Amino acid sequence: DTGVSQNPRHKITKRGQNVTFRCDPISEHNRLYWYRQTLGQGPEFLTYFQNEAQLEKSRLLSDRFSAERPKGSFSTLEIQRTEQGDSAMYLCASSLPPTDYYNSPLHFGNGTRLTVT
Amino acid sequence: SQQGEEDPQALSIQEGENATMNCSYKTSINNLQWYRQNSGRGLVHLILIRSNEREKHSGRLRVTLDTSKKSSSLLITASRAADTASYFCATDNYGQNFVFGPGTRLSVLP
Repeated sequence: DTGVSQNPRHKITKRGQNVTFRCDPISEHNRLYWYRQTLGQGPEFLTYFQNEAQLEKSRLLSDRFSAERPKGSFSTLEIQRTEQGDSAMYLCASSLPPTDYYNSPLHFGNGTRLTVT
Repeated sequence: SQQGEEDPQALSIQEGENATMNCSYKTSINNLQWYRQNSGRGLVHLILIRSNEREKHSGRLRVTLDTSKKSSSLLITASRAADTASYFCATDNYGQNFVFGPGTRLSVLP
């Protein structure tokens, strides 16, 4: 168990540019989540996958955001035409499937900090 | 919007004292979890309590859940400087995504 890995750790980009982040979950975890966190706030749900299927997407997520998990392993989160309001920490988490109708704990990566100038 | 709301927003205590944080939520839940986050890092899972449980212990942690009041508390006993972090409660929507509160920032002074 090497943990959840996120790359890059930091990304500075100019407004209007596209950025892509990568998340490598724990290998046996079939669920993968993306969250966004701004300073002093809790993580805000963006989307989650079960294997390669994207099962839920936040209504707050604009169409500039897209996430993929093509083979049910790693995932990418792309933000097109970045805006200054996109500056945040983007967190990825993975988990085992639910057991007995109860969710399993999330295992988080250390995040990608995005700064849009 | 965030369902869980932690209280207080910030807490400062001396090493050795106990720290209590509360979480309130709005809708029915399947389970409630507590996480810790050190500055600049990801969240670390601490403890999960199911909707049919009232209390759970893990080391120096004690969690209670009152579904009638839609509230939970996290007690850290004999706090240490290393406990300094932000603490979040998270509720799930019956197998779907997890919703986090804004967190309590705990400072344990040596």
